[in-house]
Amino acid sequence: DAGITQSPRHKVTETGTPVTLRCHQTENHRYMYWYRQDPGHGLRLIHYSYGVKDTDKGEVSDGYSVSRSKTEDFLLTLESATSSQTSVYFCAISEGGGAGTDTQYFGPGTRLTVL
Amino acid sequence: QKEVEQDPGPLSVPEGAIVSLNCTYSNSAFQYFMWYRQYSRKGPELLMYTYSSGNKEDGRFTAQVDKSSKYISLFIRDSQPSDSATYLCAMSRGNYQLIWGAGTKLIIKP
Repeated sequence: DAGITQSPRHKVTETGTPVTLRCHQTENHRYMYWYRQDPGHGLRLIHYSYGVKDTDKGEVSDGYSVSRSKTEDFLLTLESATSSQTSVYFCAISEGGGAGTDTQYFGPGTRLTVL
Repeated sequence: QKEVEQDPGPLSVPEGAIVSLNCTYSNSAFQYFMWYRQYSRKGPELLMYTYSSGNKEDGRFTAQVDKSSKYISLFIRDSQPSDSATYLCAMSRGNYQLIWGAGTKLIIKP
């Protein structure tokens, strides 16, 4: 998985609790992404980062926040988890922000269940 | 209507068969077309990407793009049980933002 780890790998939590997912990379890639994957929807971008402290929203950012204080770490926080945020969350990295040659490499995923 | 449509399958074929996987799209601005493979409980990994129209071949895999029909295909020759996975298409106008199909689950029967 291209030097990408995600923690935790599985989490069960209750509605209304805060949750933080961590992505760690050893590739020194500039771009990092958080996606969620749900049946019938494919992958949807939540937030992305183009450098330390530089982040922006994706298509499904409501209810999520991110932080990147170091090149290697990208955190995704659910401020108050809801059942609709039950999903598999993937972190991805890329050297540049283009398509094609700037391949996005994915981590192993985190399965989150919100009861 | 979704920007990218992909039949979720499952598609079940015998070992050795030629497999055809497809996606249609509605946004004519897409220039980059990618196929990712995702094994169960793993992250997606890039198989191939194509810029604009045409064909691209890599071993047993061939990617085709028909921009006039807004249709892309991935062909797998001499399919193997190890090819059993979910195949996702993704498209981009050229920047980081990928628009994904929902994925087709492929099963190769020994």
